[in-house]
Amino acid sequence: NAGVTQTPKFRVLKTGQSMTLLCAQDMNHEYMYWYRQDPGMGLRLIHYSVGEGTTAKGEVPDGYNVSRLKKQNFLLGLESAAPSQTSVYFCASSPAGKTQETQYFGPGTRLLVL
Amino acid sequence: AQSVSQHNHHVILSEAASLELGCNYSYGGTVNLFWYVQYPGQHLQLLLKYFSGDPLVKGIKGFEAEFIKSKFSFNLRKPSVQWSDTAEYFCAVTSYSSASKIIFGSGTRLSIRP
Repeated sequence: NAGVTQTPKFRVLKTGQSMTLLCAQDMNHEYMYWYRQDPGMGLRLIHYSVGEGTTAKGEVPDGYNVSRLKKQNFLLGLESAAPSQTSVYFCASSPAGKTQETQYFGPGTRLLVL
Repeated sequence: AQSVSQHNHHVILSEAASLELGCNYSYGGTVNLFWYVQYPGQHLQLLLKYFSGDPLVKGIKGFEAEFIKSKFSFNLRKPSVQWSDTAEYFCAVTSYSSASKIIFGSGTRLSIRP
């Protein structure tokens, strides 16, 4: 099993450009998450999904959109990138919504917005 | 609102020294607690977790953490650190009222001098 994979690994955007980050998991997990990691701020939840076709807002959803058309994929979109969105983005998945379930993280996508 | 505080932002130790990283959370209900570790250039992975039972939890690589409910704390400990423990450590909490969300602390960077 590959676990959780993320595409691309690194990207540079100009302000106003759009892009989509892809997260894929092969563990048949129900829940999937997108986080951003910034120095001194830990991980902050952007959006999450509790199952195919469903999405919900996290702590910092503004400027991002997501879609979960297939159970194994969770896409994060930036419609009009801003320098404040420069960050490292992590995707995670977990088997279900039970609070004690471990989250499995992808390797991250480093995004630089100029 | 739930929050997790890690007061030590950067800890520097020599090999064989003992380690204790602080984690405090603010939430009055039943919680589950986690420590995740991120080695340089890698993604987050679970170190240990507490959800019920013995408040002293043992994890991988000789780490342990103690849940002290009266102090809202879940400090991470290791009696003798190694150079390979150099990493960033994140404390996290979920609650039964928000089963799908996990709140992370800001992280503690641990540097071990060989």
